[in-house]
Amino acid sequence: EIVLTQSPATLSLSPGERATLSCRASQSVSSYLAWYQQKPGRAPRLLIYDVSNRATGIPARFSGSGSGTDFTLTISSLEPEDFAVYYCQQRNNWPMCTFGQGTKLEIK
Amino acid sequence: QLQLQESGPGLVKSSETLSLTCTVSGGSISSSNYYWDWIRQPPGKGLEWIGTIYYSGNTYYNPSLKSRVTISIDTSRNQFSLRLSSVTAADTAVYYCEVVVPTAGIDYWGRGTLVTVST
Repeated sequence: EIVLTQSPATLSLSPGERATLSCRASQSVSSYLAWYQQKPGRAPRLLIYDVSNRATGIPARFSGSGSGTDFTLTISSLEPEDFAVYYCQQRNNWPMCTFGQGTKLEIK
Repeated sequence: QLQLQESGPGLVKSSETLSLTCTVSGGSISSSNYYWDWIRQPPGKGLEWIGTIYYSGNTYYNPSLKSRVTISIDTSRNQFSLRLSSVTAADTAVYYCEVVVPTAGIDYWGRGTLVTVST
């Protein structure tokens, strides 16, 4: 089973700043790496799929990158609505799936 | 746009079987494009994949839950279901159903339903 480790666990930033979230896999992941955003009491929302593709309706300030075992979600300039918990997900052996433990992005 | 809705008991006794149904609207559960997932989230914790079913009936389960999980599909009712046997307090969670289309960025979730296991 591929284990995903996200860092940091908590990231404290101010609106307008740049956020960089990391996701490291225990073994190489091909292209099925996704990022989700979750707000309290809500279902997760897909932001990025296949490492770097934005889902429909996702603002351009969200971008994904990486390859192999190291992946990054970048939010170029934080908006107030971006403060939430973010999860990475891999489905390297489709459709088997694992999630990272999450990064909480909080307002500084 | 696909819409999913979970339904089932919100309270299950320890050692019994948890049963949930996901009703799909806005599209056919029989489409070869879609994979249908169950995912859960214990209170205050992260997401855990339970398993996936394809329209053909092929199933894929989380190895850590495989001995207790059954996912089935009812194409006549446009529903898919989850059964989790021998539940304990550790199975208390919000249970979500989800549909995903590989490599297309299509991903819809139900609102989730809280299931509490009483000891």
